[in-house]
Amino acid sequence: ETGVTQTPRHLVMGMTNKKSLKCEQHLGHNAMYWYKQSAKKPLELMFVYNFKEQTENNSVPSRFSPECPNSSHLFLHLHTLQPEDSALYLCASSLVDRDNSPLHFGNGTRLTVT
Amino acid sequence: TQLLEQSPQFLSIQEGENLTVYCNSSSVFSSLQWYRQEPGEGPVLLVTVVTGGEVKKLKRLTFQFGDARKDSSLHITAAQTGDTGLYLCAGVNTDKLIFGTGTRLQVFP
Repeated sequence: ETGVTQTPRHLVMGMTNKKSLKCEQHLGHNAMYWYKQSAKKPLELMFVYNFKEQTENNSVPSRFSPECPNSSHLFLHLHTLQPEDSALYLCASSLVDRDNSPLHFGNGTRLTVT
Repeated sequence: TQLLEQSPQFLSIQEGENLTVYCNSSSVFSSLQWYRQEPGEGPVLLVTVVTGGEVKKLKRLTFQFGDARKDSSLHITAAQTGDTGLYLCAGVNTDKLIFGTGTRLQVFP
């Protein structure tokens, strides 16, 4: 149990589908993140939420839409994806106010776009 | 763009062997974190090094932060099959966390 739970673990979707990824943390953290992990590439930061406010959007295409209704929950809404969006999507959380606060990751959602 | 290069990219060894993984950058970091990611799971923090020249030990794992805080190394003594995984370094700079390119380690019995 990592303290950060992601669902679903696996997702296969067509290019015209709409789906959502969910992330939940019960660690009392105040920042949540979405990362994309592809083969042969470093972990790519997509979005950051500090105290429920989006503070970073790393030039992510609009077909990815994050939502953070409270400090414990984070969603990633997906629509009209491309095959190159197939990857492992990792959610993480941390304590913003603590120096060198590490990230606590979920186990990811393995997304395949067909 | 800040880049953290890890070497080697892949490493395949037998149990009992020693190995070293390197994490290099031209940028200075205020601290550096090492994570291990096992198959089917997310990365898990192993250690954070903060001071230039700092050495930290975690059982058979020894982590070192370079004097100039631009590089780091991870040395594993007498590797075990349980050490198999993806090792990621991540540098902290002005509140941003930059992940390295990763080293995939496979330890065979």
